[in-house]
Amino acid sequence: NAGVTQTPKFQVLKTGQSMTLQCAQDMNHEYMSWYRQDPGMGLRLIHYSVGAGITDQGEVPNGYNVSRSTTEDFPLRLLSAAPSQTSVYFCASSYSGGGRNEQFFGPGTRLTVL
Amino acid sequence: DAKTTQPNSMESNEEEPVHLPCNHSTISGTDYIHWYRQLPSQGPEYVIHGLTSNVNNRMASLAIAEDRKSSTLILHRATLRDAAVYYCILRALSGNTPLVFGKGTRLSVIA
Repeated sequence: NAGVTQTPKFQVLKTGQSMTLQCAQDMNHEYMSWYRQDPGMGLRLIHYSVGAGITDQGEVPNGYNVSRSTTEDFPLRLLSAAPSQTSVYFCASSYSGGGRNEQFFGPGTRLTVL
Repeated sequence: DAKTTQPNSMESNEEEPVHLPCNHSTISGTDYIHWYRQLPSQGPEYVIHGLTSNVNNRMASLAIAEDRKSSTLILHRATLRDAAVYYCILRALSGNTPLVFGKGTRLSVIA
């Protein structure tokens, strides 16, 4: 049981490039989400999904795209990278979105945009 | 989700108990109280959660006030590895509300 996995661990992009951050979980969780954490700050929600085919925006969705074609995977796409997107990105999952369930987090992807 | 208030930072000596407070005066009757922590350079980690009764697990205990307007995370014997930012978060019982993180409490543990 690998839990929540994220790839890559580190990435450097140039302004304007696009890329996809990968997130996968093997716990059959319906609920998945993406957060970003800027240096010295708390986590902010980008997008979340309550099941395959269903996604919704969080607090800071601009510049990011998501889709959920399977239960296991929830990739985050940066459409045209900007230096303001330099951050650490965390993916998380839980059995459902309700308060009864704890959320599991991946190890993060550190992204630098030059 | 209702808001929570936590002290910015706290300090503890190693091997002593730590009580981390959280105020949530606008909590609704169906909000669960969740605690997560984030060690340096790592992703957040689930610690404990509860609704009304006190809860214990291998990591910590959660004491919930009778009126549920406050709670306390208790680490029974702090170790250096417990130095982290601790987040108290309310999450509604039903629906698909995401976890909303505040600034948390930065716990320092002194050897």
